[in-house]
Amino acid sequence: QKEVEQDPGPLSVPEGAIVSLNCTYSNSAFQYFMWYRQYSRKGPELLMYTYSSGNKEDGRFTAQVDKSSKYISLFIRDSQPSDSATYLCAMSSNSGYSTLTFGKGTMLLVSP
Amino acid sequence: ETGVTQTPRHLVMGMTNKKSLKCEQHLGHNAMYWYKQSAKKPLELMFVYSLEERVENNSVPSRFSPECPNSSHLFLHLHTLQPEDSALYLCASSQEVSGIYEQFFGPGTRLTVL
Repeated sequence: QKEVEQDPGPLSVPEGAIVSLNCTYSNSAFQYFMWYRQYSRKGPELLMYTYSSGNKEDGRFTAQVDKSSKYISLFIRDSQPSDSATYLCAMSSNSGYSTLTFGKGTMLLVSP
Repeated sequence: ETGVTQTPRHLVMGMTNKKSLKCEQHLGHNAMYWYKQSAKKPLELMFVYSLEERVENNSVPSRFSPECPNSSHLFLHLHTLQPEDSALYLCASSQEVSGIYEQFFGPGTRLTVL
């Protein structure tokens, strides 16, 4: 079983839709959970960061962590064409280095 | 220049060539990283440097040789590569290497090995 599983998509939605992106993981030591957004021909940029379980909201974006199920989600409300990108989940156990374990990324396409 | 820059942005090389990738961070960070991003695969951490000292080497083949002359610059020297080494090579930096600090990524170098 891979450490982090993420459906590569593509996920196509119309503008204004609510988008749900998800990752599952197997390592119960993970405590820090991040979502990166990567536009075409660019490097990933940090979008959201949560510690342990719970929800975190930032504008149209909500990150959820369920450690008991080893499942994390990113919700995007009122999706825009500018949200079209690849979304990467990443996790860390804070083992001493700022090293991250990434999912493969989900490509999101929001059509006008 | 701001953030993390990488040169060249695109590189095509034969299996017998020697080339180098360059990364420069303008953020005053102490840690730098090399990642490999292949199609349909997760980002793979290759090397980690903290204050110019290599602190992690993730079983990377010796045909990849990193160099960190100072905390702002990171190189990846390439020689005798294989076609399966074709990928996007991303450089990142963070404030420190211990603990959880945001990693800032460069735009990457798209490498094609013929």
